Amino acid sequence: EVQLVESGGGLVQPGRSMKLSCAASGFTFSNYGMAWVRQAPTKGLEWVATISYDGSSTYYRDSVKGRFTISRDNAKSTLYLQMNSLRSEDTATYYCTSLGDPFAYWGQGTLVTVSS
Amino acid sequence: DVVLTQTPSILSATIGQSVSISCRSSQSLLDSDGNTYLYWFLQRPGQSPQRLIYLVSNLGSGVPNRFSGSGSGTDFTLKISGVEAEDLGVYYCMQATHAPWTFGGGTKLELK
Repeated sequence: EVQLVESGGGLVQPGRSMKLSCAASGFTFSNYGMAWVRQAPTKGLEWVATISYDGSSTYYRDSVKGRFTISRDNAKSTLYLQMNSLRSEDTATYYCTSLGDPFAYWGQGTLVTVSS
Repeated sequence: DVVLTQTPSILSATIGQSVSISCRSSQSLLDSDGNTYLYWFLQRPGQSPQRLIYLVSNLGSGVPNRFSGSGSGTDFTLKISGVEAEDLGVYYCMQATHAPWTFGGGTKLELK
C-alpha cells in the first residue's frame, strides 16, 4: 500500500525557516518525481514545487523561488521542502504527492502557520 | 500562467441527480507530446485531495464509474451520473501541461 506521511509543520515566525519531510513507502520512491502542493486555510489548491526522480531537476512557483528548496533522499525514501524567509502568505497545509501514477497518492498534509 | 475557470462555484444536488462541472482553460492544454494533462480531484471535508480522472477522461483506480471526464483543448467537463452522499465536497480541475501547474478555483457540491 502506498503511503506518504508529511511531518515538520507547526508555528513559525515571519522570516524564519522550517523544513518539511514526506516519508514514502509502498512503491519504488527512487523511480518517480514528486511534488509539493499547498492549501491556505479555506482556500484552493496551489502547486508549490516539483523534483525529478533523481533530484537533478527542480521547479518552483514564482512566489517561492529563491526561498524554498525541494530535495529528496532516495536512500531514505524521503522528500523534503526547506522553506526560508517565511511569510504570512505561506501559511497553509502542505501536501506531498507522487508523480509515478500522477497525483494518485497524497499525504495527509502538514500545517504550517507563519505568525508572530 | 494558465487560468482554469470552474463553473459553477457551488452546485446543489439531490441524491441520484446527475450533475456536470465545467473547467475552461485560458490556453489549450494539448501538449506537444499529444497528451492533455488535465486532472480532476475531489476533496472531502477535512481530507486530502483524491484523484478522480487523469488525462481528461481516464478513471482513476478505485473511482466509481458514475464519474466521467470529457473535453479537449480548452473546455473540459466532469460528470457525475447519479450523485451519492459520499460525493459531497469540493471538486478541482488541474492542468500540468504548462508551467506553473495550476488548479481551478473549485466547485463545492452540496446537498439540496
